[in-house]
Amino acid sequence: QKEVEQNSGPLSVPEGAIASLNCTYSDRVSQSFFWYRQYSGKSPELIMSIYSNGDKEDGRFTAQLNKASQYVSLLIRDSQPSDSATYLCAVAGGSGAGSYQLTFGKGTKLSVIP
Amino acid sequence: GAVVSQHPSWVICKSGTSVKIECRSLDFQATTMFWYRQFPKQSLMLMATSNEGSKATYEQGVEKDKFLINHASLTLSTLTVTSAHPEDSSFYICSSWTGRTEAFFGQGTRLTVV
Repeated sequence: QKEVEQNSGPLSVPEGAIASLNCTYSDRVSQSFFWYRQYSGKSPELIMSIYSNGDKEDGRFTAQLNKASQYVSLLIRDSQPSDSATYLCAVAGGSGAGSYQLTFGKGTKLSVIP
Repeated sequence: GAVVSQHPSWVICKSGTSVKIECRSLDFQATTMFWYRQFPKQSLMLMATSNEGSKATYEQGVEKDKFLINHASLTLSTLTVTSAHPEDSSFYICSSWTGRTEAFFGQGTRLTVV
């Protein structure tokens, strides 16, 4: 059974600081990795996707992937109060229909303190 | 970007009645639609995978006779919760992929069974 583990938090950081969110996954054949942001009562919103080892930067967000360690992380620079949300790590991969199925972690709740 | 439109956004129904949730892909053909359920402070759990023109595939523990899925066209998939009970109260979300790059989510449906 595929598992995705995240620290549930809450993670509190002051405004302007760097928030670091971590995720590990169990299925070595996973190919695609995603970070979603979910506000309370709302649907997940894609923040970042990453498919190969290394770093991927998009604005204030940097995703890091290490397939050997089965580890993916998200860094949020210059954190803003509007970044306060639950961040879901999701993994997809394998073969056939499974390559499109997302397995989600339970999410890390981030609070950015003004 | 691609949009998945989900309706209704919230619904309250009496125990024993049925509720239909619709998901439409507005600017792409959704060959496959994934249906998730999310209980409070929990992650998204995949319920079933629907493919246009064929029977849905249900995850272990999900009753296919209770959660009826129809995917009659490339732009519409529906989930019907039959004989709903209070324990079915949850946040239901549909999702589809465009190509192999990313999944888009509907807005979600908050179901409350009283």
